[in-house]
Amino acid sequence: DIQMTQSPSSLSASVGDRVTITCQASQDINNYLNWYQQKPGKAPKLLIYDASDLETGVPSRFSGSGSGTDFTFTITSLQPEDIATYYCQQSDNLPWTFGQGTKVEIK
Amino acid sequence: EVQLVESGGGLVQPGRSLRLSCAASGFTFDDYGMHWVRQVPGKGLEWVSGISWNSCDIGYADSVKGRFTISRDNAKNSLYMQMNSLRPEDTAFYYCAKVKRSGWYSLLVDYWGQGTLVTVSS
Repeated sequence: DIQMTQSPSSLSASVGDRVTITCQASQDINNYLNWYQQKPGKAPKLLIYDASDLETGVPSRFSGSGSGTDFTFTITSLQPEDIATYYCQQSDNLPWTFGQGTKVEIK
Repeated sequence: EVQLVESGGGLVQPGRSLRLSCAASGFTFDDYGMHWVRQVPGKGLEWVSGISWNSCDIGYADSVKGRFTISRDNAKNSLYMQMNSLRPEDTAFYYCAKVKRSGWYSLLVDYWGQGTLVTVSS
């Protein structure tokens, strides 16, 4: 199975800060890397797919980059509504696997 | 508007069975692969099972293989999960999930249901 290692597990930042989350796959996943946002009590929401493609309707302050095994998710200017847990997920190989999540809080 | 509505969750004793259903609307159901993803309350996401648009490709996580069976009825726009020999560690919210790309099977989800809670306890 492909292991997805996400870091940090939590972070606290101020409104307007740049926030970066990293995700490392245990093997090359051919850029089939997706990022989801999950707010408390809600289902996840797709933000970024194929490492860097922004899902329709998602604000442009969210972005993704990376290739092979190392990927980065960035919020360029943190907003209060971005408080959530963020998950990376590989869609290259069965079984599909998620990172453990990064909880983002406002300082 | 795409809607996925799960049902069938509840409290069940270890070793018993449960059948989850997901009613889909707002898209051409038989064009898309579908999946079940679960989440223990307060924990992370875990893929459980997936099925292609034509039911030719089916996959399971090792943790449920041999106990859970995924199926779909395209005439009824519905996805199902038959869950047998349930264990306490199967306790979780179960989400029905639609694949983003028509004809694809891999787990890239653009729509999720609201989730149904399965609690396995004596």
